Amino acid sequence: GESVGLHLPTLSVQEGDNSIINCAYSNSASDYFIWYKQESGKGPQFIIDIRSNMDKRQGQRVTVLLNKTVKHLSLQIAATQPGDSAVYFCAENQAGTALIFGKGTTLSVSS
Amino acid sequence: DAGVIQSPRHEVTEMGQEVTLRCKPISGHDYLFWYRQTMMRGLELLIYFNNNVPIDDSGMPEDRFSAKMPNASFSTLKIQPSEPRDSAVYFCASRHMNTEAFFGQGTRLTVV
Repeated sequence: GESVGLHLPTLSVQEGDNSIINCAYSNSASDYFIWYKQESGKGPQFIIDIRSNMDKRQGQRVTVLLNKTVKHLSLQIAATQPGDSAVYFCAENQAGTALIFGKGTTLSVSS
Repeated sequence: DAGVIQSPRHEVTEMGQEVTLRCKPISGHDYLFWYRQTMMRGLELLIYFNNNVPIDDSGMPEDRFSAKMPNASFSTLKIQPSEPRDSAVYFCASRHMNTEAFFGQGTRLTVV
């Protein structure tokens, strides 16, 4: 089946920098996308989502961009903090089906 | 709401034994998912239910795996017999319609 993949397995940034995590998806029928954060020993935690009728959505310190033309999703984290260190997953969904996850990007923030 | 509740948090069992993982979804959610997470394969969807009915079990690796959802507030994932390669973290998640899924804390299964 089609799956979601990530461009980069690890990302190391300095505290205060902006972080950008990328994701490619292959199912053109997917209409809903989510970013999750997973800390060690915990389950994935919702960060932000976006539907296919939008190009950009902003939350608190996070922004998700969706480019349907090239099937690309990105998560931008402003002023990255040590507490942002975790594994980040993108997930795609087609209505009525299950979320399919990419492999994840490990974000490491040094102070 | 307490969120998605999974039990046990950790399970260590011997090869060949039966293992049962349990999940209580968030009240009112109509979808329930079972995922397995390993370093090599990431988060894999095993099976999901809609209104207690199994919709897609194509991710269940073998006949040794089975899942049930007898009512809207409880689901089980059973492995019989268990094998060392089943060692992983198993997550249950639930959602309402086409919204984000909420995950439990997971069950870390070790089969020796």
